[in-house]
Amino acid sequence: GAVVSQHPSRVICKSGTSVKIECRSLDFQATTMFWYRQFPKKSLMLMATSNEGSKATYEQGVEKDKFLINHASLTLSTLTVTSAHPEDSSFYICSATASGGPFETQYFGPGTRLLVL
Amino acid sequence: SQQGEEDPQALSIQEGENATMNCSYKTSINNLQWYRQNSGRGLVHLILIRSNEREKHSGRLRVTLDTSKKSSSLLITASRAADTASYFCATASGTALIFGKGTTLSVSS
Repeated sequence: GAVVSQHPSRVICKSGTSVKIECRSLDFQATTMFWYRQFPKKSLMLMATSNEGSKATYEQGVEKDKFLINHASLTLSTLTVTSAHPEDSSFYICSATASGGPFETQYFGPGTRLLVL
Repeated sequence: SQQGEEDPQALSIQEGENATMNCSYKTSINNLQWYRQNSGRGLVHLILIRSNEREKHSGRLRVTLDTSKKSSSLLITASRAADTASYFCATASGTALIFGKGTTLSVSS
């Protein structure tokens, strides 16, 4: 149980285009979903926290107009990288906490590798 | 900002040996968690230890927590090649997790 999927797993796009990444909790309802960014051989950096039906809370230094987050349902959150640039190339990982579950435990998706040319 | 700092950054051992990774953190915590990440993959939750616990076991994993020193250790006993991965400690900031830089473990057969 507690499976989180991400789609796509890998995406290559041209500079200036927008890319949408989906994060789904497959077998549980997610109270909260988190979006992280990871550079090669580096740790995960929290980008934003989203709760279903409300606006995401962004970490300091993360442009909310650049990284649009929509948490439309208890099983789906999307991250849209708008007007992508090569420096946005990274590994994006989402996680979710389960409604009614231990709030400390986060279930992670497999990640999406974004390459902007 | 990063809360946890792991050391060593990289560790190479032979199969069957034990691997010990350490994590230090800065602020008071309710719990500390360890995660594993295989290359290019998401994270897998390994173990959570609460601030009132000193030691916890799960299979070949043993985690200790010293809140006076603000440090934790993860011991993997009788390591296997399949244990090759990056290991991160994480502490909670509200409902979000703050991760350390991780230790990359390489187990050779």
